Amino acid sequence: KQEVTQIPAALSVPEGENLVLNCSFTDSAIYNLQWFRQDPGKGLTSLLLIQSSQREQTSGRLNASLDKSSGRSTLYIAASQPGDSATYLCAVTNTNAGKSTFGDGTTLTVKP
Amino acid sequence: GAGVSQTPSNKVTEKGKYVELRCDPISGHTALYWYRQSLGQGPEFLIYFQGTGAADDSGLPNDRFFAVRPEGSVSTLKIQRTERGDSAVYLCASSALGGAGETQYFGPGTRLLVL
Repeated sequence: KQEVTQIPAALSVPEGENLVLNCSFTDSAIYNLQWFRQDPGKGLTSLLLIQSSQREQTSGRLNASLDKSSGRSTLYIAASQPGDSATYLCAVTNTNAGKSTFGDGTTLTVKP
Repeated sequence: GAGVSQTPSNKVTEKGKYVELRCDPISGHTALYWYRQSLGQGPEFLIYFQGTGAADDSGLPNDRFFAVRPEGSVSTLKIQRTERGDSAVYLCASSALGGAGETQYFGPGTRLLVL
């Protein structure tokens, strides 16, 4: 059974810092890995999707990397802003049918 | 519509009652997913529809939970004899074809509270 772990559970940084969020998974036979953002009381917004054949994806200040063999992914956020404050979730898909297994998220607070 | 919508946004019910939660996916999306999210945890998969059929219902916790998607668009998650442990946010997501390479688009969720 796939298990996804995200460390740390919470992170607080001053504005402007670069930071890294970590995600690990136990079954490396994945089809893809996706990073989501969740604001309090809201649904999930997809940030980046990395296919199993890819090593990284970038969008603006965000960069996600994937090391399938070691079962790890990182989400790098450059020049953090208070608006980045949210919970970040990673999810992996082990089948070709899109069903995802999620971690419990990292709650990020960026202080002005 | 522009995105996935879910109704109601909040539902309070008493233990033992029956509830229905509705999901309207993005127009044209053939794949639809239901997840359940408890406080402080990530979403937990419940069921996946490809068109009208349930392609994977392995996440439904027991036979009190059932979901339908009769016309391949709107889906309803039905919970019978609700229990306090059913309290959670129920999230719906859709994707264009259901393939593993696709982004899943989530709705805002229905917050269910069973008293």
